[in-house]
Amino acid sequence: EVQLVQSGAEVKKPGESLKISCKGSGYGFTNYWIGWVRQMPGKGLEWMGIVYPGHSDISYSPSFQGQVTISADKSVSTAYLQWSSLKASDTAVYYCARAYDGKTPEFDLWGQGTLVTVSS
Amino acid sequence: DIQMTQSPSSLSASVGDRVTITCRASQTISRYLNWYQQKPGKAPKLLIYAASSLRSGVPSRFSSSGSGTDFTLTINSLQPEDFATYYCQQAYSSPTTFGQGTRLEIK
Repeated sequence: EVQLVQSGAEVKKPGESLKISCKGSGYGFTNYWIGWVRQMPGKGLEWMGIVYPGHSDISYSPSFQGQVTISADKSVSTAYLQWSSLKASDTAVYYCARAYDGKTPEFDLWGQGTLVTVSS
Repeated sequence: DIQMTQSPSSLSASVGDRVTITCRASQTISRYLNWYQQKPGKAPKLLIYAASSLRSGVPSRFSSSGSGTDFTLTINSLQPEDFATYYCQQAYSSPTTFGQGTRLEIK
């Protein structure tokens, strides 16, 4: 089955670090880009950035540049999104999504989402 | 960044109705426009890509048109499973951006 499976929900305190994952299966993981999309509670979709696991080419939205780190490990068909110091405003559901073209992305396959809650 | 504006923000309709959602870009995006459907607690699902291409498996009651700055998504003969939130997305330039969403509710 072609799918993206994300890591489970996280509850963290402000200032803590976090790395969430997105594992692809059933397709050529290195042939597609993986993007990350944030959805804050009750809000819309925001594109954070995208990585090409084939050669780890990465592009960030200016809104998220410097706030998060995107990476991928093609040996385990997994993309990652990480924070070094979480803030309460990072509370959201984070989705990974697949795109064939990183420059004109159509996200045709989505993970189930990872809920990140940051609270003291 | 290219701003995407959808209207209306919410819409009430009945099963069997025909509804139209519009999406306007702040600058021309050619036909680099995609539509997604999202149901509560679920990930978005790609419905239409490149402004008017229906994704395989998506019912033919969904259609879309437009180019440049103005686009429309039409759903003919609404079915109970169509009540959801719909987002447009421009893929013309980075950063890709989404509209704010249109919530389609049952009247």
